[in-house]
Amino acid sequence: DAGVIQSPRHEVTEMGQEVTLRCKPISGHDYLFWYRQTMMRGLELLIYFNNNVPIDDSGMPEDRFSAKMPNASFSTLKIQPSEPRDSAVYFCASSPTGFGYTFGSGTRLTVV
Amino acid sequence: SQQGEEDPQALSIQEGENATMNCSYKTSINNLQWYRQNSGRGLVHLILIRSNEREKHSGRLRVTLDTSKKSSSLLITASRAADTASYFCATDSSASKIIFGSGTRLSIRP
Repeated sequence: DAGVIQSPRHEVTEMGQEVTLRCKPISGHDYLFWYRQTMMRGLELLIYFNNNVPIDDSGMPEDRFSAKMPNASFSTLKIQPSEPRDSAVYFCASSPTGFGYTFGSGTRLTVV
Repeated sequence: SQQGEEDPQALSIQEGENATMNCSYKTSINNLQWYRQNSGRGLVHLILIRSNEREKHSGRLRVTLDTSKKSSSLLITASRAADTASYFCATDSSASKIIFGSGTRLSIRP
């Protein structure tokens, strides 16, 4: 198994632009999580899905952020419009049980 | 908000020594997990300990859990250069949702 695959690895965009981050979880994992990591705030849970259904999106910072999981093998996290304070590393993780997460390598987002 | 807090924030030891990191949390938990993160990489799951367990081993790792004190410790024995990383504890505040602490940065000196 190739593990959790995230794309792109790096993204540099201008303020105001739309950004879409992508994640392919491990096949058979029913849970998918989106985290954001910054030096100031550490690892923050943004949203998680169970069987493609969003269960808890209380960590999504504001309406500019949205996440979808149209099928069991794909999820997106979209920021529109992006702002410099959104700069962070965004991680996707999946799990078969809700514990013992497998993380992707992350997307390093820089908004200038 | 963060449920778990690791202590110390940073730790530097000589290769071959043991490294101990601590985690304290605030509310009751079902499980506690430890993860490792190498620089520029995603987190890697190390070990899970359930609330009814007191100690668990995995290779050179030993995890203890004291639910009365709401604390856990991670011991890495006979440290190696490859153990240099950040270590996070994670607790489940509700089913299938875990919250990570701020991490301990471990440096192993050759």
